[in-house]
Formats: sequence, C-alpha cells, structure tokens
Amino acid sequence: GAVVSQHPSRVICKSGTSVKIECRSLDFQATTMFWYRQFPKQSLMLMATSNEGSKATYEQGVEKDKFLINHASLTLSTLTVTSAHPEDSSFYICSASKLQETQYFGPGTRLLVL
Amino acid sequence: GNSVTQMEGPVTLSEEAFLTINCTYTATGYPSLFWYVQYPGEGLQLLLKATKADDKGSNKGFEATYRKETTSFHLEKGSVQVSDSAVYFCALQSNTGNQFYFGTGTSLTVIP
Repeated sequence: GAVVSQHPSRVICKSGTSVKIECRSLDFQATTMFWYRQFPKQSLMLMATSNEGSKATYEQGVEKDKFLINHASLTLSTLTVTSAHPEDSSFYICSASKLQETQYFGPGTRLLVL
Repeated sequence: GNSVTQMEGPVTLSEEAFLTINCTYTATGYPSLFWYVQYPGEGLQLLLKATKADDKGSNKGFEATYRKETTSFHLEKGSVQVSDSAVYFCALQSNTGNQFYFGTGTSLTVIP
C-alpha cells in the first residue's frame, strides 16, 4: 500500500513559538492532502483539505492564520502552528490521496506546547 | 449529511473471546466504509474496507460486512488476542468527494 510519512514524530516547543510539521507521500503523487487533529481519547477532527498548488480549504472553526498549510508539491504538505499555545497541544495526523482514491494516513505528530 | 456512530467503549475482553464493535452510518449516495485501528502512540492503520453494499472486508481475522439495508458495518473477530488491544475507528468516505467521516473510536483491551 501507499506510504505517508510525517516529520517530526514528536515535538516539544515553548509557548509563542511556531512549529512546522511535514507530511510526505513517499511512493505516490498526492493530489489532495488532509490535516486532522486528535485530542486524547477522541476521534479525528478534519482541520483542512489542501490540493497541490492551491489554497487550503479550512473546516469551520479552524483558524487559517494560526494553522498555515502549504501544499507545494504532489508529495509534500506542511502544517505550521503559529504562535503555539498549550491548548494547541495535540496529535496531528495527515493523510494523502490520489484523485478520488482512498486516503492513506501518516503516523501522526505529537505536539506539546509548554 | 454524512455521519458515523459507533459503539462506545471501553471494551474489555478475555483472550479468545468473540468481538463485535457496532457501527452505523448515515450518508448521501453510496459511500465506502472503513475500519481503522490505532495502537497506542501511533497513527491510524487501515484494517479493512468495503466499497459497495454486501461487500465483506476482512484482514487479520477481522471482518465487516457493508449492510445497506441496516446502514451498518459492524466489526467482528472470532477470537481476539492481547495484541488486538487498540482503538478502532469506523469511517465512511463520501462518494461525492474525498472527505472522511470518523466515528468516535472504541477502545478495546484484551486481557490474558
């Protein structure tokens, strides 16, 4: 099956700093990438959908200026959490798909903001 | 709209017990249905899927059948193992777009 990687797997940062998380599709070209957020013991919440070369579409309630998404190529999307605060601590998961096919999920990035 | 409702946990079973985790859905059109598994500290792994009515997805001893008449996709395994301890998510993918809708997850603990 298709492989999606995320980097870093864990990150700890100070409040007020920005953190960038990378999502890569390793063996296929992803026309669409998705970013999810998962709180402890809860389900995944879709944050935004990004298509290569165009602006991301954010879900209601997600601040686009706080969670910057860039989908610069068919194999890479980045999520930048700007001016992170402790309430941004969470597990961030990306997924990638080719055209309308199944989404393949990355292993997730655990963010802890102190 | 689209949504997924799955059985609340946590579920605790003894090794070799029979497992059922219920999942029902509402959807417009003809969605694809999935079960994902999340082991502690890890991301989601696709466990099985079914893309049309009456399809049965199976993997690692787990099965689920796409029942359009009851809008259900219940996960079953005849004999669970300790290594099956994880959180299981039921999900649907709309056929009108690429978006996934996840259930809230069911935590399973299997004790020796």
